[in-house]
Amino acid sequence: GESVGLHLPTLSVQEGDNSIINCAYSNSASDYFIWYKQESGKGPQFIIDIRSNMDKRQGQRVTVLLNKTVKHLSLQIAATQPGDSAVYFCAESGHRPNNNDMRFGAGTRLTVKP
Amino acid sequence: NAGVTQTPKFQVLKTGQSMTLQCAQDMNHEYMSWYRQDPGMGLRLIHYSVGAGITDQGEVPNGYNVSRSTTEDFPLRLLSAAPSQTSVYFCASSWKGQGESEAFFGQGTRLTVV
Repeated sequence: GESVGLHLPTLSVQEGDNSIINCAYSNSASDYFIWYKQESGKGPQFIIDIRSNMDKRQGQRVTVLLNKTVKHLSLQIAATQPGDSAVYFCAESGHRPNNNDMRFGAGTRLTVKP
Repeated sequence: NAGVTQTPKFQVLKTGQSMTLQCAQDMNHEYMSWYRQDPGMGLRLIHYSVGAGITDQGEVPNGYNVSRSTTEDFPLRLLSAAPSQTSVYFCASSWKGQGESEAFFGQGTRLTVV
């Protein structure tokens, strides 16, 4: 899961397996959540988002689950591929009145073994 | 389609020097932001803009200035560089505030202050 600190949490999976990356948040007012993927030397890239009125959203090979009761967010990647190797960030917003204030987690490094 | 373009990609400054990091987007987005990314930490918001002529501070604004004279450009100025400003800087733009819509990020500027 994600945490703030000097050492990035890591997840290593075998190619073809499913990956689950977790994220905990603390702001009960958070109402919008995004997962970003960041490859080495590049900027973050949007993967999927979810609003607080939903508990699940699916994209292509990815699913985001939101559990507001325990303030937990997860990203599931089906049939993980080598190209999925990257750092994954969750981000949340709800810090009113500043609607532009997105707070990012520290990231989880996903490594896919061939 | 260029998206968000940042220049330069790399920069080394001496303590006390000033410089401007450039950011341009061609998607006609109203919202633009600057983030810094430090090892083992998520992105932190420096300054943001909700449209031409409007800017505001984020989480870590000290030591940085911004202006937004056009929709396309959002430069970040370091007034007197300090070693604590060594980081990777990302510019982002979005249709709505980042509390409501995905952000598109540039490739980043890696800044070292010696």
